Amino acid sequence: QKEVEQNSGPLSVPEGAIASLNCTYSDRVSQSFFWYRQYSGKSPELIMSIYSNGDKEDGRFTAQLNKASQYVSLLIRDSQPSDSATYLCAVPFASRDDKIIFGKGTRLHILP
Amino acid sequence: NAGVTQTPKFRILKIGQSMTLQCTQDMNHNYMYWYRQDPGMGLKLIYYSVGAGITDKGEVPNGYNVSRSTTEDFPLRLELAAPSQTSVYFCASSYAVNEQYFGPGTRLTVT
Repeated sequence: QKEVEQNSGPLSVPEGAIASLNCTYSDRVSQSFFWYRQYSGKSPELIMSIYSNGDKEDGRFTAQLNKASQYVSLLIRDSQPSDSATYLCAVPFASRDDKIIFGKGTRLHILP
Repeated sequence: NAGVTQTPKFRILKIGQSMTLQCTQDMNHNYMYWYRQDPGMGLKLIYYSVGAGITDKGEVPNGYNVSRSTTEDFPLRLELAAPSQTSVYFCASSYAVNEQYFGPGTRLTVT
């Protein structure tokens, strides 16, 4: 299993719909999880952090964490064309001296 | 706060030349990182530092060197540039193992 795995996409979602982005990770003891957004030609930008099982909401974004299943997801409600970007999942790995491992990202395309 | 700044934004090097990519952060973060990102690919960790005077290798350190003499600065040195080092380089910083904040990147071409 890859350390942090994401579907590369592209994921195409109609404007106004919910976009669902998924990430699985292999380190069972990871305690913190991050989602970054990266527009083409730009640097990654932190959009969500989650540390506890369950949901965390911030505006149109909801992060969901299930440590037992080693799964973290990002939901984007009322998707806008400006949400079109690559979304990176990042997880610190205790087995790698707590270095943060980034997934390769999911490309999201919001269809106007 | 400026956050994480990087210079230069763009650079073209000839094979065999050397250069230093500059990175500065004003958030008093102890951790700093250098990544490279090839077109359409993920981030690869080159080097990182957990504090002034302490550096360690990441996944792809060959052909690069770093130093960390102050909390704020973490320069990346390329010696004997090769075409395989053509990439976008991002510097990032964080407070311990926590959210990382990225600089705008340096786009490097080696020809």
